Amino acid sequence: GQNIDQPTEMTATEGAIVQINCTYQTSGFNGLFWYQQHAGEAPTFLSYNVLDGLEEKGRFSSFLSRSKGYSYLLLKELQMKDSASYLCAPNTGGFKTIFGAGTRLFVKA
Amino acid sequence: DGGITQSPKYLFRKEGQNVTLSCEQNLNHDAMYWYRQDPGQGLRLIYYSQIVNDFQKGDIAEGYSVSREKKESFPLTVTSAQKNPTAFYLCASSSEISGNTIYFGEGSWLTVV
Repeated sequence: GQNIDQPTEMTATEGAIVQINCTYQTSGFNGLFWYQQHAGEAPTFLSYNVLDGLEEKGRFSSFLSRSKGYSYLLLKELQMKDSASYLCAPNTGGFKTIFGAGTRLFVKA
Repeated sequence: DGGITQSPKYLFRKEGQNVTLSCEQNLNHDAMYWYRQDPGQGLRLIYYSQIVNDFQKGDIAEGYSVSREKKESFPLTVTSAQKNPTAFYLCASSSEISGNTIYFGEGSWLTVV
């Protein structure tokens, strides 16, 4: 079966660092996407990890461990506009990507 | 500009009526998808299509129908058989060339009264 686990909600302070964890169990795995979704809007692509390790892209970094079925999204220098849901989405092969329920991040002043 | 266009953005319908949501993409992507999102919930796959004239059911296909007569277009019909159709509907597309990254349209809010 397919299972994706990420925290439902997190709260962090403006300017801080926050790590959003995701564990997954899937039949087949090619790589893992992270998407950001603001309330009432469509998800937007943040990152895609295929190989183990950390990939940095500005204030956002994403880490993958294939052997552990684990990924995290790291957000640095948090801004109020980072308040959104963050969706962990493993690609299980070809066109098949499944989405977790998402982690709602609240950034407070 | 390249992208995915959904229409209408907001739609109200009476219970028992069928409604069709439009989705057009000019990204030259082979694959297209329809997802449903309920408030505070994740994305659930309704239907997907990998090539023209072919489509497969996703996890929650009951009460929905699709067609893929052109590469650019993937309309979704919400039929009266769908018991709880009020939701946010997202159309998306992807291609192997872009690493199977899924790109989304802006979404359509359907409210059935």
